[in-house]
Amino acid sequence: EVQLVQSGAEVKKPGESLRISCKGSGYIFSNYWIGWVRQMPGKGLEWMGNIYPGDSDTTYGPSFEGQVTFSADKSINTAYLQWSSLRASDTAMYFCGRLIAPTGIGSDYYFDSWGQGVLVTVSS
Amino acid sequence: QSVLTQPPSASGTPGQRVTISCSGSSSNIGRNFVYWYQQLPGAAPKVLIYRNDQRPSGVPDRFSGSKSGTAASLAISGLRSEDEADYYCAAWDDGLYVFGIGTKVTVL
Repeated sequence: EVQLVQSGAEVKKPGESLRISCKGSGYIFSNYWIGWVRQMPGKGLEWMGNIYPGDSDTTYGPSFEGQVTFSADKSINTAYLQWSSLRASDTAMYFCGRLIAPTGIGSDYYFDSWGQGVLVTVSS
Repeated sequence: QSVLTQPPSASGTPGQRVTISCSGSSSNIGRNFVYWYQQLPGAAPKVLIYRNDQRPSGVPDRFSGSKSGTAASLAISGLRSEDEADYYCAAWDDGLYVFGIGTKVTVL
């Protein structure tokens, strides 16, 4: 069974750094893209970008380029989302998800499994 | 503001059919597949429809998807109380994945 388990909720102050994790199991972690999705309180889903754990190739959404960093450690089947200096506006739920493409075509990728989400609260 | 437009809300009584629209453009829905996700309250999203009209195993056939040109729709037939959730359409757009703003479905 494919599972993605994310780290626990975080409460941080503005300016602090943070790294949250997403650990995969039940499949070959290196072979599938992991995507990150933000959901601000009471709002919809926003795609942040993807990382391919096999070679750490990354794609960032335009709103998140330069604001966050994706990384992955394939030896422990874990992907990370990192901030160097948090802002109050980073307060949100963050989901990781596995992307699959039945045909291998770029536009065929979609999220078939999701982590449970990490609530990040940034407040002074 | 998303490039995929959905109505913010939809509702129906148990047993009714509810349809949610998703309007895009030639750069997203017009040339790529459409996906639909369901997010129950307090839960992670779950894929309902992939590749416009395909259901993953385990998704009831009450859920169906369609696409025509730059628009897509999700239909829920035989509405049930457990279908009360937020529904998001999604598509690739020049290498970026975009979600619609979401439609809250209420079962009256």
